[in-house]
Amino acid sequence: DGGITQSPKYLFRKEGQNVTLSCEQNLNHDAMYWYRQDPGQGLRLIYYSQIVNDFQKGDIAEGYSVSREKKESFPLTVTSAQKNPTAFYLCASSIEGPYEQYFGPGTRLTVT
Amino acid sequence: QKEVEQNSGPLSVPEGAIASLNCTYSDRGSQSFFWYRQYSGKSPELIMFIYSNGDKEDGRFTAQLNKASQYVSLLIRDSQPSDSATYLCAVRGNTGNQFYFGTGTSLTVIP
Repeated sequence: DGGITQSPKYLFRKEGQNVTLSCEQNLNHDAMYWYRQDPGQGLRLIYYSQIVNDFQKGDIAEGYSVSREKKESFPLTVTSAQKNPTAFYLCASSIEGPYEQYFGPGTRLTVT
Repeated sequence: QKEVEQNSGPLSVPEGAIASLNCTYSDRGSQSFFWYRQYSGKSPELIMFIYSNGDKEDGRFTAQLNKASQYVSLLIRDSQPSDSATYLCAVRGNTGNQFYFGTGTSLTVIP
């Protein structure tokens, strides 16, 4: 089955620790995205990547970092510099053209 | 000005009624428009897409696009309690691969 996987589903960390969220897709999509969603809020773009070894900051990139070493993988690191990291994180991918995004199941990160 | 705007709701309709969800966008050059449904605690799932002016029907769902007015809507006929969710309007930008999302409209269908 083709799709996007994110792991883990739930993640708990202590304040001050960096944490990396995994995102893998086997859809052969070129573009991948990371969004953050807070309760009752829409999706806010953190980073996106259109091709391997290239990525662009979104609206709320501060305190986050990404890499795109393989087409299939786009991990997101939440650093200790992110002031309010507790949120629901969604990874998505798309192909070139007027087509939709596909979303992974999400990772719920709680930092205490 | 936000790229995509939706009424946040909440919108409540009785079971069997028509639910009407609206969205406006600012980039006149946008070419593709999407409606996603998101259940609480889950990721968004695509329910409709539309590229051309007019109506597009799929089962109980109808998407309407008016590019001149920069307006997209979603009608849900014969609403069911299982339709209770947040509906996100998304617009694909005219250049590059960026998508712009509204904040979502929360819909509750009352049995």
